[in-house]
Amino acid sequence: DGGITQSPKYLFRKEGQNVTLSCEQNLNHDAMYWYRQDPGQGLRLIYYSQIVNDFQKGDIAEGYSVSREKKESFPLTVTSAQKNPTAFYLCASSPTDKATYFGPGTRLTVT
Amino acid sequence: DAKTTQPPSMDCAEGRAANLPCNHSTISGNEYVYWYRQIHSQGPQYIIHGLKNNETNEMASLIITEDRKSSTLILPHATLRDTAVYYCIAFGGTSYGKLTFGQGTILTVHP
Repeated sequence: DGGITQSPKYLFRKEGQNVTLSCEQNLNHDAMYWYRQDPGQGLRLIYYSQIVNDFQKGDIAEGYSVSREKKESFPLTVTSAQKNPTAFYLCASSPTDKATYFGPGTRLTVT
Repeated sequence: DAKTTQPPSMDCAEGRAANLPCNHSTISGNEYVYWYRQIHSQGPQYIIHGLKNNETNEMASLIITEDRKSSTLILPHATLRDTAVYYCIAFGGTSYGKLTFGQGTILTVHP
């Protein structure tokens, strides 16, 4: 079954803790992305990676970090430096010149 | 990427065609028009895309005006499950999946 897996669906953390969100794809896509969505808002790009061992900041990278050690995996760490981490996080992947496909999302709540 | 403008909300009766407009008057020659939709608390779903010719797939049809300044997404027989936020995005070149999501159109399909 091909697709993008994000786990867990819901995640709760205390303020000041780092948390890592998982994203795995078995679509053999070169590029992967992380987006953030706040209530009633569109998606905003956090980080993206077009190839293994390379990634670039998106529009709102502050307080986040990523790694791309394997083609199929692109984990996102939300650090304690992120001022408003509570949000819906979406991972996506795409071949280099085709449509982008999204995972089911992880809803992170930090209290 | 070109800015797109969509109406904030639209209604449609179940079984009727839903026609969702999008303006992209500053679109450049190498930018495609993509449509996605997002059902509440899920990841966005790719629907269709096109450059200048009209396109049709199993989900929808995309009509792009000759001057490429606007387009219309057509859901030929809307169902209650088509109730979602629909996003029109213009991008291309080396942008790959770095999508810029606006507010989209909230389509509500009524019984």
